[in-house]
Amino acid sequence: GAVVSQHPSWVICKSGTSVKIECRSLDFQATTMFWYRQFPKQSLMLMATSNEGSKATYEQGVEKDKFLINHASLTLSTLTVTSAHPEDSSFYICSARVGAITGELFFGEGSRLTVL
Amino acid sequence: SQQGEEDPQALSIQEGENATMNCSYKTSINNLQWYRQNSGRGLVHLILIRSNEREKHSGRLRVTLDTSKKSSSLLITASRAADTASYFCATAHTGTASKLTFGTGTRLQVTL
Repeated sequence: GAVVSQHPSWVICKSGTSVKIECRSLDFQATTMFWYRQFPKQSLMLMATSNEGSKATYEQGVEKDKFLINHASLTLSTLTVTSAHPEDSSFYICSARVGAITGELFFGEGSRLTVL
Repeated sequence: SQQGEEDPQALSIQEGENATMNCSYKTSINNLQWYRQNSGRGLVHLILIRSNEREKHSGRLRVTLDTSKKSSSLLITASRAADTASYFCATAHTGTASKLTFGTGTRLQVTL
């Protein structure tokens, strides 16, 4: 299957700093990637849809200025958590799709963010 | 919210037993997918069933779909300790382009 690489797998930062998480499709091109957030023992909540070469589409309630998404190439999308606060601590997971727009998603391994 | 609900929230069984998880959703779908997540890891796709299909098999997995009841079930037969994980259903809803909406998940524990 297709491989999605996510980096870093975990990061600890101080409150007020910004953190960038990268999501790469290693063996395929992804015009669309998805960013999810997951709290402990809970489901995945879609934050935004990242579109190559255009602006991301954010879900209702997600602050676009807080969570900056850039999809500058067909194999890389980045999520930057700006001015992080402890409540931003979470597990962030990216995914991408190969083929049909309603087909299966391939997920990265996730990035655990802890804001002190 | 289109988020589906799964039950049970948690399931503990012994190795060799079958595990059944159920998923209900609210609006019409193009397809329904099941994913597995080991603790602290990403998700792995297990199986996809289209809205015009009623049952699908893959190895020890059996998925059913009842669109009239807006529900699906995932059966894992002859469970193994390695099946311990969280299982999520995800729905591709009609008219929502390529987004998937994930259910609340079932945490499965298989003991020796």
